[in-house]
Amino acid sequence: KAGVTQTPRYLIKTRGQQVTLSCSPISGHRSVSWYQQTPGQGLQFLFEYFSETQRNKGNFPGRFSGRQFSNSRSEMNVSTLELGDSALYLCASSLTGSGEKLFFGSGTQLSVL
Amino acid sequence: KQEVTQIPAALSVPEGENLVLNCSFTDSAIYNLQWFRQDPGKGLTSLLLIQSSQREQTSGRLNASLDKSSGRSTLYIAASQPGDSATYLCAVRPEYGGATNKLIFGTGTLLAVQP
Repeated sequence: KAGVTQTPRYLIKTRGQQVTLSCSPISGHRSVSWYQQTPGQGLQFLFEYFSETQRNKGNFPGRFSGRQFSNSRSEMNVSTLELGDSALYLCASSLTGSGEKLFFGSGTQLSVL
Repeated sequence: KQEVTQIPAALSVPEGENLVLNCSFTDSAIYNLQWFRQDPGKGLTSLLLIQSSQREQTSGRLNASLDKSSGRSTLYIAASQPGDSATYLCAVRPEYGGATNKLIFGTGTLLAVQP
């Protein structure tokens, strides 16, 4: 059974640009969550999607957005990139998003220059 | 506001030693607690999940305990091996908020097991 797949693995962007990251959950999993990991702030929750609906949102500016498709694949978008957006972005999936184990992808390392 | 702290921040032990990693949280209203392992530049691997009604969970050489009322959890690793070297993170899922996978993560413990 394939794990959670995130693409691309690495991204380099400049300030002001926008970026789209992709996440394919484990087959059958309907909940997808996104997290940002930085050395200073650690792991912080961005948002969660279940059956194409955003179910929960963390404390991030509106420049961070996401969506989920009918096949449960998810994308997150960051517009008007800032230097502080440099981070490892992790996607996690689970069957129903009701407190069961989370399965994480390897992440997308975003560098903003 | 829930805060999760892990002590120590870093730990170096010789191979074969038993060790304990600590996790504390400020709000006891949690649904469950998970321990994860993260290798450098990689994603997280779930090790153990303890429901709020449980006291401990075991998997192989790993044992995690939960004392919800005192806001503490420990991860015990028996007979440590160099392959156990990684960052260990604990995360709590708040009791409120309905069905969700929103987790609040601790600061992590960087473990190095010396051969």
